[in-house]
Amino acid sequence: AQRVTQPEKLLSVFKGAPVELKCNYSYSGSPELFWYVQYSRQRLQLLLRHISRESIKGFTADLNKGETSFHLKKPFAQEEDSAMYYCALISAGGFKTIFGAGTRLFVKA
Amino acid sequence: DVKVTQSSRYLVKRTGEKVFLECVQDMDHENMFWYRQDPGLGLRLIYFSYDVKMKEKGDIPEGYSVSREKKERFSLILESASTNQTSMYLCASSNSDTDTQYFGPGTRLTVL
Repeated sequence: AQRVTQPEKLLSVFKGAPVELKCNYSYSGSPELFWYVQYSRQRLQLLLRHISRESIKGFTADLNKGETSFHLKKPFAQEEDSAMYYCALISAGGFKTIFGAGTRLFVKA
Repeated sequence: DVKVTQSSRYLVKRTGEKVFLECVQDMDHENMFWYRQDPGLGLRLIYFSYDVKMKEKGDIPEGYSVSREKKERFSLILESASTNQTSMYLCASSNSDTDTQYFGPGTRLTVL
């Protein structure tokens, strides 16, 4: 069964510290992986997707097929990064997206 | 900019009432989705639609139905609201080219 696991419900780091939000998935084929973010009082929006291989707001994520992981990383956290982050996958050729339970990132001053 | 709008930001209903949640998108997207968002459970798919008049059950369809009479509009219906349907409801749309989902602002429904 397709599944996305985010093991941390809450992650708290100090401003300027590195941050890594973990995401593991189970899927037998080649999925597309995404990170979505929801800032306070804003709508959920796409942060990045693995096929783009880009850095958005200093965040990067590498798909590791061997470990079935897609962890989100940023070398120096900022207070404005505080938000709810969801990892998601979509099966190749499909359009139904499966979301993880989410990780709330809190960046302390 | 893709715009997905939902008819209400906050809604309070009583147990047993029939509830309609409306979602409209303006980007001619083929696919539309309804999720509920609960703390610790993330987003759970209720129903989705990949074309007008087409609908597919998601992971938690019980107690809900949907309607898609026009491409831009996707309605979620609670036939007889219950307290366990108190939640934040998110609508989203996507097209088959990018698979990126665009979300509405959400409707916080409270069932008393």
